[in-house]
Amino acid sequence: EVQLVESGGGLVQPGRSLRLSCAASGFTFDDYAMHWVRQAPGKGLEWVSGISWNSGSTGYADSVKGRFTISRDNAKNSLYLQMNSLRAEDTALYYCAKENGGNSFDYWGQGTLVTVSS
Amino acid sequence: EIVLTQSPATLSLSPGERATLSCRASQSVSSYLAWYQQKPGQAPRLLIYDASNRATGIPARFSGSGSGTDFTLTISSLEPEDFAVYYCQQRSNWSYTFGQGTKLEIK
Repeated sequence: EVQLVESGGGLVQPGRSLRLSCAASGFTFDDYAMHWVRQAPGKGLEWVSGISWNSGSTGYADSVKGRFTISRDNAKNSLYLQMNSLRAEDTALYYCAKENGGNSFDYWGQGTLVTVSS
Repeated sequence: EIVLTQSPATLSLSPGERATLSCRASQSVSSYLAWYQQKPGQAPRLLIYDASNRATGIPARFSGSGSGTDFTLTISSLEPEDFAVYYCQQRSNWSYTFGQGTKLEIK
């Protein structure tokens, strides 16, 4: 059974940093690209960042480019998101998602909540 | 960035009826279009990928069609558990975007 478990969310002040983690199990982690998708309270889905299976390629939404960094450790079956210079508009539930080898996300975690507020 | 526009924003139907949801892209996305269902307090669930392929475990009443810029998700006969928010999503190189969602509510 595929499982994605996010952690690391919490309340943080504007301008500070936070690192999210996603622990993956139930599939061959280093075969697939992985992503972070967020959802602000009461809003729709926003893709944040993605990373290829071997970390050779990454992508970022314009809204986080230059502030967030995605990484992975295939030996630990883990995905990370380093978030710097956080803003109030980064407040959201952050989901870890597995790419299905194509162009969509076939498994999602339950999310970790990030709240940016003073 | 490719923008996806979903319509209608809200769709009010009764169980047993047919639902037709639309997603229009600001430029061609070929067939790289997926559909998700999200219920309150839950993570999104993949329904359709590459425009017309049902994901694992998705009932046959869900179908997707379209290519280029115009796509449709059809639910042939609504079940009570189908009332939720539906999102489309596209991929273009390392840029992924979602539509704003269609809320399917019980009439």
